[in-house]
Amino acid sequence: DVKVTQSSRYLVKRTGEKVFLECVQDMDHENMFWYRQDPGLGLRLIYFSYDVKMKEKGDIPEGYSVSREKKERFSLILESASTNQTSMYLCASSFVGQGTGEQFFGPGTRLTVL
Amino acid sequence: SQKIEQNSEALNIQEGKTATLTCNYTNYSPAYLQWYRQDPGRGPVFLLLIRENEKEKRKERLKVTFDTTLKQSLFHITASQPADSATYLCALNGGSQGNLIFGKGTKLSVKP
Repeated sequence: DVKVTQSSRYLVKRTGEKVFLECVQDMDHENMFWYRQDPGLGLRLIYFSYDVKMKEKGDIPEGYSVSREKKERFSLILESASTNQTSMYLCASSFVGQGTGEQFFGPGTRLTVL
Repeated sequence: SQKIEQNSEALNIQEGKTATLTCNYTNYSPAYLQWYRQDPGRGPVFLLLIRENEKEKRKERLKVTFDTTLKQSLFHITASQPADSATYLCALNGGSQGNLIFGKGTKLSVKP
């Protein structure tokens, strides 16, 4: 059974803290994505990576950075958390090549910044 | 830039009826369009994909249509059940690297 796992389901942090969100996939997918999801705004792409050590900015990269040192792992970093980064964070992965391009999502991390 | 609109934020229907959800896009015709289901507190789950050269796709009680002239996809659930209650998202390919652009979703509630 294919799987995308995220390090935490719920996380509470204080303003100014550095926050790491980890995502691991076991499908040998090349592509990995980080989204945030907020009521009324839908899923918004923060960053994505199509290979190890490669990254591309999505629609809302400000305040975030990412790291992909191994194919199966994609980390999202909030350098200095702020209250407006309180959100649901979703990681996804997909296969490159002849396929449906479907994305497999993790269960999400609900982050609260106080 | 490409925009997607899912016309209804919420749709309430009676059990047994057919639910029809709409997804419209504004610019270029995508190579394919996907539909996902999302339950509260969980990540989206892929349901169906339809390519630009396909008019219709079916999977069990689900049917998706794709009209490139109208720039619209319709998603149908026939003989709907309360277990079909969820938020349904449409998505289309956003670039060459496999990223998707998602609509905001339609929350479907099926009442017994």
